[in-house]
Amino acid sequence: RKEVEQDPGPFNVPEGATVAFNCTYSNSASQSFFWYRQDCRKEPKLLMSVYSSGNEDGRFTAQLNRASQYISLLIRDSKLSDSATYLCVVNPPPPQRPDKLIFGTGTRLQVFP
Amino acid sequence: GAVVSQHPSWVICKSGTSVKIECRSLDFQATTMFWYRQFPKQSLMLMATSNEGSKATYEQGVEKDKFLINHASLTLSTLTVTSAHPEDSSFYICSARPPRVKETQYFGPGTRLLVL
Repeated sequence: RKEVEQDPGPFNVPEGATVAFNCTYSNSASQSFFWYRQDCRKEPKLLMSVYSSGNEDGRFTAQLNRASQYISLLIRDSKLSDSATYLCVVNPPPPQRPDKLIFGTGTRLQVFP
Repeated sequence: GAVVSQHPSWVICKSGTSVKIECRSLDFQATTMFWYRQFPKQSLMLMATSNEGSKATYEQGVEKDKFLINHASLTLSTLTVTSAHPEDSSFYICSARPPRVKETQYFGPGTRLLVL
């Protein structure tokens, strides 16, 4: 089983739509969780950290469900500029080093006019 | 936010040659930098952790003698792909973690390597 699994998509949604992605992780002791965004042929950029209580940043909401070992990302009022690949990233537990990141393969979002 | 640069941004080389990629932290010092590789439609895979002033730590399955890492200063790490072959063609990305920032890594823009 992969350490981090995501539906590769693509998710094709119209502007203004709400879209949600899920990600599952295999190690229940994983420490920290993030969503990164990666545009085509570019480096990943941190979108937001995911906290146990859930967190929101503008149109983006991230949730963590430790019991079921999944993380979600909700995007409201989608914009054309949201089109990208969204990477679920997990910080594994010891004995792995605390700053190691494990990336999912990403979920591709395409927002159309 | 913190800035990490990489050079070159892309390189095409013949099979058997060696290619050096530089990763620089421009506005902070990084005792640790990370080197990743990403094949098309696949996730970023950590290759190695570069430690300033000491040997790099390689992930399982990554050949140390093939991917030479040097972290000679607090702002520069280099990855040399020795005797490159077509299967080494990939997107190589480095990242660095600013001091006192616990979790976030800042990524360089990546280097696209094509080995003919």
